[in-house]
Amino acid sequence: SQTIHQWPATLVQPVGSPLSLECTVEGTSNPNLYWYRQAAGRGLQLLFYSVGIGQISSEVPQNLSASRPQDRQFILSSKKLLLSDSGFYLCAWSVRRNYNEQFFGPGTRLTVL
Amino acid sequence: AQTVTQSQPEMSVQEAETVTLSCTYDTSESDYYLFWYKQPPSRQMILVIRQEAYKQQNATENRFSVNFQKAAKSFSLKISDSQLGDAAMYFCAYWEVYGQNFVFGPGTRLSVLP
Repeated sequence: SQTIHQWPATLVQPVGSPLSLECTVEGTSNPNLYWYRQAAGRGLQLLFYSVGIGQISSEVPQNLSASRPQDRQFILSSKKLLLSDSGFYLCAWSVRRNYNEQFFGPGTRLTVL
Repeated sequence: AQTVTQSQPEMSVQEAETVTLSCTYDTSESDYYLFWYKQPPSRQMILVIRQEAYKQQNATENRFSVNFQKAAKSFSLKISDSQLGDAAMYFCAYWEVYGQNFVFGPGTRLSVLP
């Protein structure tokens, strides 16, 4: 069966520090991968999605970036965090066919102080 | 661009009663999927139900059913015999066939009163 992992589960970082959140998927090949951010009490905002290694599409311009160095690995990064980067970050994957459903990871709670 | 609207930020229901959550969307496409996701306090996103736009029959999953009105671009979720474990944020989502990303609504927070 497929599983999706995210780490760390929680993170507290000072403003201006770098960020690296990791997401890995097991049990499937060639997935679509997604990074979402959920601000407190808000809906999900799509940040990045990837259809293959090295292929990243950005939905929202910001100081965050994403990379996909391996088929089932998706990394969210920042060189300098802002206070507004605080939130709950969710990674998700979906199969690359007509029929689609997104499977979500457990999420990372990021607090920028 | 596609948009998904959930006009009810919060709702409450008595245990064992029925509640309906509203969702409308805007698209010019004819082939797409609609979803309802549940996010309990654990923050884990869980798929509740999905509907293919080409199917006229409304999807049903146990106590959860939808009222899909394609012409009106409406996709409401009905929860019957509400249980305390149903308390969560509920997100309506849209996915366009041949598209690559989902569009989520802002969510409805459902409280279940004992």
